[in-house]
Amino acid sequence: GQNIDQPTEMTATEGAIVQINCTYQTSGFNGLFWYQQHAGEAPTFLSYNVLDGLEEKGRFSSFLSRSKGYSYLLLKELQMKDSASYLCAVRALNSGGYQKVTFGTGTKLQVIP
Amino acid sequence: NAGVMQNPRHLVRRRGQEARLRCSPMKGHSHVYWYRQLPEEGLKFMVYLQKENIIDESGMPKERFSAEFPKEGPSILRIQQVVRGDSAAYFCASSSISGKRSYEQYFGPGTRLTVT
Repeated sequence: GQNIDQPTEMTATEGAIVQINCTYQTSGFNGLFWYQQHAGEAPTFLSYNVLDGLEEKGRFSSFLSRSKGYSYLLLKELQMKDSASYLCAVRALNSGGYQKVTFGTGTKLQVIP
Repeated sequence: NAGVMQNPRHLVRRRGQEARLRCSPMKGHSHVYWYRQLPEEGLKFMVYLQKENIIDESGMPKERFSAEFPKEGPSILRIQQVVRGDSAAYFCASSSISGKRSYEQYFGPGTRLTVT
């Protein structure tokens, strides 16, 4: 099975930088996704990492270390609209022979003025 | 709109009734996933389907819940004899299995089920 851990809640100040960590334990690892979910809405895709290193996309960056089973999502120049839950999801080849994506429970980020 | 479509967006059922939730995947996607989300909680995987085939139903309750994805038409999540505990948001997602970002899941807007 898979085990995905991320903090339950975080608070950060508008204009600041925040890092949301995700650790995972799985066999057959084949990629990690980050999704954003505003309250009452569907999750939307933010990033995908399969190789070690940093992927940058505007104010958002995502980092992966496969050897450490660790990823983080970095949000810069925080805006009030960034208040949302951030979901870490791991893709892995499971015993059934197919790629399964498993979601963490999400980190609820509150941005304060 | 080429995105994932779900209907109805809101569904109210009395205890004991049946709920049918529909999901049409994105054009070109042949894989569908259903998730349940309780208020203030994470996404809980329920079932993963291809056309006419259930790949993984390890997250489905053993009783009252069933899912299908027929050759033609939308995927259906069916909940029989609903109870108050079934009240939740049910999200459908779809994916392709080829391409650079294969298995990236695109989510529909969800169906909010309320059992009274």
